Amino acid sequence: GAVVSQHPSRVICKSGTSVKIECRSLDFQATTMFWYRQFPKQSLMLMATSNEGSKATYEQGVEKDKFLINHASLTLSTLTVTSAHPEDSSFYICSAGAGGPLAHEQYFGPGTRLTVT
Amino acid sequence: RKEVEQDPGPFNVPEGATVAFNCTYSNSASQSFFWYRQDCRKEPKLLMSVYSSGNEDGRFTAQLNRASQYISLLIRDSKLSDSATYLCVVNPAGRGYNKLIFGAGTRLAVHP
Repeated sequence: GAVVSQHPSRVICKSGTSVKIECRSLDFQATTMFWYRQFPKQSLMLMATSNEGSKATYEQGVEKDKFLINHASLTLSTLTVTSAHPEDSSFYICSAGAGGPLAHEQYFGPGTRLTVT
Repeated sequence: RKEVEQDPGPFNVPEGATVAFNCTYSNSASQSFFWYRQDCRKEPKLLMSVYSSGNEDGRFTAQLNRASQYISLLIRDSKLSDSATYLCVVNPAGRGYNKLIFGAGTRLAVHP
């Protein structure tokens, strides 16, 4: 299947700093990318949907000024957690869609584990 | 009420056992249904789609009951490598083709 990479795989940062996570589709052009967050023993929660070249659509309750998403090219989307706090510590996973109408055409990245101290 | 509900488990079963997981969803207009598998601290991976007629892939059988808004996954002849968390996933209608709503998962532990 298609390959999606994320970088970094894990990051530890201090409270108040910003962290950028990259999501790349390696062998296909992703018109849509999705960002999820997963807390321990909980389900993946969709944070936002980003389409290449346009503003991201955020889910209810997700602060767009805190979680900045940029999808500048068909192979790269970034999520920046600004002014991170310990409660932002979580597993962040991106997925990329190749543009088909079928929902399961999403390929997940390996995730980024963020720890804010 | 959660959009997708699953029994969290864990289900502890011996190798060779048959185990079934259930899932209910709240949006009756939901269009697509899936089972994903997630290993500890890893990303979810698509196990199988679920169709109204039921579908089978080797030892795995998925069923959908639209009237009851209920999805099931049956695993026969469990292997140690089946130990993972199984996520019930729904694509709700009217929220964009590509949006997926994940259940919290059911944990399976297969022991020798």
